[in-house]
Amino acid sequence: DQQVKQNSPSLSVQEGRISILNCDYTNSMFDYFLWYKKYPAEGPTFLISISSIKDKNEDGRFTVFLNKSAKHLSLHIVPSQPGDSAVYFCAAEGRSQGNLIFGKGTKLSVKP
Amino acid sequence: GAGVSQTPSNKVTEKGKYVELRCDPISGHTALYWYRQSLGQGPEFLIYFQGTGAADDSGLPNDRFFAVRPEGSVSTLKIQRTERGDSAVYLCASSLSLAGTDTQYFGPGTRLTVL
Repeated sequence: DQQVKQNSPSLSVQEGRISILNCDYTNSMFDYFLWYKKYPAEGPTFLISISSIKDKNEDGRFTVFLNKSAKHLSLHIVPSQPGDSAVYFCAAEGRSQGNLIFGKGTKLSVKP
Repeated sequence: GAGVSQTPSNKVTEKGKYVELRCDPISGHTALYWYRQSLGQGPEFLIYFQGTGAADDSGLPNDRFFAVRPEGSVSTLKIQRTERGDSAVYLCASSLSLAGTDTQYFGPGTRLTVL
């Protein structure tokens, strides 16, 4: 049973517009959430994270929002650029864990 | 500085053979993780090390899989009697420590194909 779910396998956005990637989780023991970006033939690259004590974290064009009551987080990219085209993975970590639990990923395509 | 490196980048083997996959973590990182990514899936945890010892190996699918990190740096993932279902990309990551806020940095992976 998947603990971290990304229900949209793909998303297409026009350059300059906002990209919103969504992620849901089921385990209330998760206390740290991350987004990784992956290009073909490369390993995942860390993008941004958020602790469960916060509801928003911003880093340049990337903002992650956390809604603990809904067990939902989202990644906003604005403005989107063609170089943002990649697979985005949502991941979560529990307080007593060292490993990350990943979603299946969402493939983002940003069209010029 | 150098990132996480993994060798080989690709490995093709026959069913029933033994394979070893190597991971060189970032220098100074005490925590090392192995994940497996199958087609269309996210990375799935296999095992992680703090120093030389396996802190959690609960993700290893069965006793054909084993990993070592004898000197607390390089790690080797060993798979005995490979099966076609073992075909996947095997990812290694390292972090400064096991603290949740320490970022895990991933290598490029080893693509294993079992014929």
